[in-house]
Amino acid sequence: GEDVEQSLFLSVREGDSSVINCTYTDSSSTYLYWYKQEPGAGLQLLTYIFSNMDMKQDQRLTVLLNKKDKHLSLRIADTQTGDSAIYFCAESIQNTGGFKTIFGAGTRLFVKA
Amino acid sequence: IAGITQAPTSQILAAGRRMTLRCTQDMRHNAMYWYRQDLGLGLRLIHYSNTAGTTGKGEVPDGYSVSRANTDDFPLTLASAVPSQTSVYFCASSARLAGAVSTQYFGPGTRLTVL
Repeated sequence: GEDVEQSLFLSVREGDSSVINCTYTDSSSTYLYWYKQEPGAGLQLLTYIFSNMDMKQDQRLTVLLNKKDKHLSLRIADTQTGDSAIYFCAESIQNTGGFKTIFGAGTRLFVKA
Repeated sequence: IAGITQAPTSQILAAGRRMTLRCTQDMRHNAMYWYRQDLGLGLRLIHYSNTAGTTGKGEVPDGYSVSRANTDDFPLTLASAVPSQTSVYFCASSARLAGAVSTQYFGPGTRLTVL
């Protein structure tokens, strides 16, 4: 089946690193994504990683992919209060007619000053 | 217009009433989507359209219908609203970034309450 799971909440202190974890079930995933949703807004793409990569770094963001365990993580270095948001993990899988995207339930990140 | 717009921003609706949520994009994206977002359940796909003139059912299509008469507009209709349709509704469109990578662009959402 197709399922993406994340923990619902994470709380960190400002300046610390945040690590948000995600597991997925479909081994045919082609790309995996992290989206950010700020209060009252829609989702915005943060970063993505191709399924044959194991790491991608983009400024304060590091994505780690363990394809064997179907585990994806997003690390935010030097977390700021502006990083408080809901973070969605998503996988793109091929189906008839193209690709479809499966979203996790989202992890709400609280950053304490 | 820049990106995706949705209307209304929020709505309170009596059960049994008909309601159309509007979605318009100006990016000329072929694919468009409707999701509902509920606490603890994340985003669930209601309907999608890969190109103008075609639509498909997502994960939770019952009670909803869509049409895609042109590239820009993708309205979602609730024929007879029920309280379980209380949710935040997001419209999205998608574009290829590179190769097979695509990203979805989301509208600001419509908060719907059915009483």
